[in-house]
Amino acid sequence: DIQMTQSPSTLSASVGDRVTITCRASQSISSWLAWYQQKPGKAPKLLIYKASSLQSGVPSRFSGSGSGTEFTLTVSSLQPDDFATYYCQHYNSYPLTFGGGTKVEIK
Amino acid sequence: EVQLVESGGGLVQPGGSLRLSCAASGFTFSNYWMHWVRQAPGKGLVWVSRSNGDGSTTTYADSVKGRFTISRDNAKNTLYLQMNSLRAEDTAVYYCARDSGSYFAYWGQGTLVTVSS
Repeated sequence: DIQMTQSPSTLSASVGDRVTITCRASQSISSWLAWYQQKPGKAPKLLIYKASSLQSGVPSRFSGSGSGTEFTLTVSSLQPDDFATYYCQHYNSYPLTFGGGTKVEIK
Repeated sequence: EVQLVESGGGLVQPGGSLRLSCAASGFTFSNYWMHWVRQAPGKGLVWVSRSNGDGSTTTYADSVKGRFTISRDNAKNTLYLQMNSLRAEDTAVYYCARDSGSYFAYWGQGTLVTVSS
């Protein structure tokens, strides 16, 4: 199985900050990576697919990059609605696996 | 509008069984692979199972293989997850999700399964 490792596990930031989250795969997954945002008690929301494609309706302050084994999710200017937990997910092969999550907290 | 609504969760004793349902609307259900993903309280997301459009091809995570069965009734636009021999570690919110290419643009609201004596 492909392991997905996210860092950091927790991130404290302020409104307006530029925030970057890293996701590493245990083997190459090409660009088969998605990013989700999840708020407490809610289902995950798709932000990015194929490593860098922005899902329809997602603000352009979110961007994704990377290929192979290393990927990043960047929020260019953090907004109050962005405080949440973020997960990466590979879809190179089955079983699909998710990263452990990065909680973005208010500093 | 795509809607996925799970039901069937609840409290069950270890070793017991439960069947979850996911009612789909707003799209041609039989055209899509469908998945179950779970999340233990305070933990991360874990993929559980998938079914192709006609139910003829299914895949499971090793942790549930042989205990859980995914199925679907396309006439009722409903996805199921039959869960047998439940363990404490199966306690989680279970989400159904529509396949968008093995990632998920559409999710249900989730249903909580608690396995405890």
